[in-house]
Order: sequence, then structure tokens, then C-alpha cells
Amino acid sequence: TQLLEQSPQFLSIQEGENLTVYCNSSSVFSSLQWYRQEPGEGPVLLVTVVTGGEVKKLKRLTFQFGDARKDSSLHITAAQPGDTGLYLCAGAPNDMRFGAGTRLTVKP
Amino acid sequence: SQTIHQWPATLVQPVGSPLSLECTVEGTSNPNLYWYRQAAGRGLQLLFYSVGIGQISSEVPQNLSASRPQDRQFILSSKKLLLSDSGFYLCAWSVTTNTEAFFGQGTRLTVV
Repeated sequence: TQLLEQSPQFLSIQEGENLTVYCNSSSVFSSLQWYRQEPGEGPVLLVTVVTGGEVKKLKRLTFQFGDARKDSSLHITAAQPGDTGLYLCAGAPNDMRFGAGTRLTVKP
Repeated sequence: SQTIHQWPATLVQPVGSPLSLECTVEGTSNPNLYWYRQAAGRGLQLLFYSVGIGQISSEVPQNLSASRPQDRQFILSSKKLLLSDSGFYLCAWSVTTNTEAFFGQGTRLTVV
């Protein structure tokens, strides 16, 4: 079992601010997934990163996979209240185990 | 297209009562199936996963069990619920253990 550590655990910011959340491990992953979960619902996949150093953009969200494929970051530019949720990462292969998540609250 | 159904959406059960949560997947064959539990405000704890009929891997020894009687059916059970079994239970499926997981809408279980 490969442990994924996510930081920060909680983050509360004002609308329009930028933020970065992290997903770290001591293990190497072949790929890493980021999910967002809204209250009362199941998580939904945002992106999968595969190549070390890869950067993927999804509108205001930028995902980066570390060169050594042990860590990843998610940067949100000009956060909006709609970005509020629990952000989870899952590395492969790891039998669909998730990190503990970062709970983001964006205040209007 | 593939869909995943999980029911019931909410459940209130007394301590010591049995539990049965059902999850079914449509539109795919031989999916990997997962049960997770989520405490309030916390991440997902993997409880069980299955790569095929009758094949169940248990992650955490506890008061729960899982079964996969059919290819696309995954059931979470308990003979006697504890207060600590309260939480949000999520079922999910994926093509392999390394590809995207698709989640059901979840069951909020409150043990009273």
C-alpha cells in the first residue's frame, strides 16, 4: 500500500484568490488522478496525469505531476465559490486508494 | 453508456440491526468494484474491492462484509450495526484498479 498525503487538510479563501494544494508520496506512481467531491455526492474525476513533469490545464485549474512521479499539485487561479469541495488524489497502481483530501471553501 | 446505481440514499438504523446496501453497474462487464466509507468532512476509506465474482479483498477488519453474487452487483452487509458504522458509504467501479473510478451517489447511514 502506497500512502498519499494531501495538504493542506483545510483551506478557506476569498473569491478571486489563487491557491495550490498538494498530493505527496514516497512511492512512484505510473499515473495520478485528481477528483473533486461536492457535499452529498460521489467524487468526479478532474484529470489524470501520466508523464513525469506533465502539466495539464482545465480552465482555471492547473495540474502538475512531479518529475519523479511521486507528487502532484493542483493550482486554482481566481477561485470561485463553485470551486468549493473536497479535492482528492489517487495514485496508480494502488487499488483505488485515495489521499485524505483537501477541503476547499471559497467565500463570495 | 455505463451507469452505477446505489441505494438507498439515506438510511437510519438502530444499533444491533442488520445492514444491506446494494450497488449495481450497467453497461460494462467484469468491472472492478469498490466500497468506501467517508466520515463527516474526511476522505475516503477503502473498505472492500472486488476484481471478479466471488473475489473480495478486505482492507480494514471491522463489522462489515461484502459480497459479489453477480458480475455487476456488489453488496455491503453487516449482521449487527454499531454506532461507529455511521457514515457516508460510496460504491464505485472502474475498468482496472488504475483507471478512472466512477462513483454512485452514496448512502448516508445513521446508526442510532
